[in-house]
Amino acid sequence: DAKTTQPPSMDCAEGRAANLPCNHSTISGNEYVYWYRQIHSQGPQYIIHGLKNNETNEMASLIITEDRKSSTLILPHATLRDTAVYYCIVRLYTGTASKLTFGTGTRLQVTL
Amino acid sequence: KAGVTQTPRYLIKTRGQQVTLSCSPISGHRSVSWYQQTPGQGLQFLFEYFSETQRNKGNFPGRFSGRQFSNSRSEMNVSTLELGDSALYLCASSLALTASSTDTQYFGPGTRLTVL
Repeated sequence: DAKTTQPPSMDCAEGRAANLPCNHSTISGNEYVYWYRQIHSQGPQYIIHGLKNNETNEMASLIITEDRKSSTLILPHATLRDTAVYYCIVRLYTGTASKLTFGTGTRLQVTL
Repeated sequence: KAGVTQTPRYLIKTRGQQVTLSCSPISGHRSVSWYQQTPGQGLQFLFEYFSETQRNKGNFPGRFSGRQFSNSRSEMNVSTLELGDSALYLCASSLALTASSTDTQYFGPGTRLTVL
């Protein structure tokens, strides 16, 4: 799986959009971008994933650049409960085995 | 639909003992993966089971083992516990459909193991 680079920490004011960047310059054509988050000492929570098109669900939006070398997770209206570590994972779906390789993630702090 | 459940949630053992952790996947999910999370090493993949067979394994010693039952429930075992085995052990399940991007892993709350 390709390696990802994320800033170690970010701050965001409550109610504002949180934009979390991820660099994955070595991504290959059939690797997906996945985002998870982990609130302190809980299990990681799936947020969203995509291949090359932008994706949106009830939690967030995922914007992938045209060359697929980077992506941004957008939380449109951050709340205090969005304070967590956010992991960007590039994953090759093989259909025969499931494995996620987690990096160090971005610690997002949402403040009043 | 109920999520992934793990038991027990907390466990304290002493060095040299062994421990068994249990994971019940989301109903209908056929793949169960296990991860270890420590402050020093982060989240690391242990192994994955599908149809009662281990089909992927991380870089952990043989003291770490697991199995999956016919109902997809899984257990992992750690023998001869060491202080460094203190960690949050996470289980994740997925549908494991073939040729599909929907094989998303959903995690349980984890079992916090403390080795004294």
